[in-house]
Amino acid sequence: AQSVTQPDIHITVSEGASLELRCNYSYGATPYLFWYVQSPGQGLQLLLKYFSGDTLVQGIKGFEAEFKRSQSSFNLRKPSVHWSDAAEYFCAVGLDYGGSQGNLIFGKGTKLSVKP
Amino acid sequence: ETGVTQSPTHLIKTRGQQVTLRCSSQSGHNTVSWYQQALGQGPQFIFQYYREEENGRGNFPPRFSGLQFPNYSSELNVNALELDDSALYLCASSKSVTMNYGYTFGSGTRLTVV
Repeated sequence: AQSVTQPDIHITVSEGASLELRCNYSYGATPYLFWYVQSPGQGLQLLLKYFSGDTLVQGIKGFEAEFKRSQSSFNLRKPSVHWSDAAEYFCAVGLDYGGSQGNLIFGKGTKLSVKP
Repeated sequence: ETGVTQSPTHLIKTRGQQVTLRCSSQSGHNTVSWYQQALGQGPQFIFQYYREEENGRGNFPPRFSGLQFPNYSSELNVNALELDDSALYLCASSKSVTMNYGYTFGSGTRLTVV
């Protein structure tokens, strides 16, 4: 069955430090991959997505992610974290076939805290 | 352009009651999906609507049902509410039934069942 694993439940980084959030997926074909961010009590905002082509994807707010097929990973990175980046981050795999059209499978999320 | 709007923002219902949640999709979007997000969890796919028909469904019982209207807005109906239905319900819209464009999410409706 398709699944998404975010191994880190909670990460704390200092403001200005670099960030990498891990995401591993289980899926038979080349997946649609997404990273979303959620602030407390809010909906989800799309940071970036990957469908095909260049495996390094640039997103909003200075985030990027790299698709590595051999490792079934899609890790999110940012070179310098800002205090406003504190939020929960979700990785998702998209299923787009048969009765599962529109189905995004989300990981359990990684909560990011930023130290001043 | 307006984003995805959901109403109400918060709702308290009693076990066994029925509830209807509403979603207005982003302008130009014809596809709507609904997700349930329990506390501390990632969202779980309930179903998707395209051209007023359900064209994808997750692992939710039939008491979860929906509608999509000609203006692409949507409703989620839940019958016979259970305590475990307490969650944030998220609506997401897209320009297309395929995933190429990604999804725009609303801020959600927080449902509490007591």
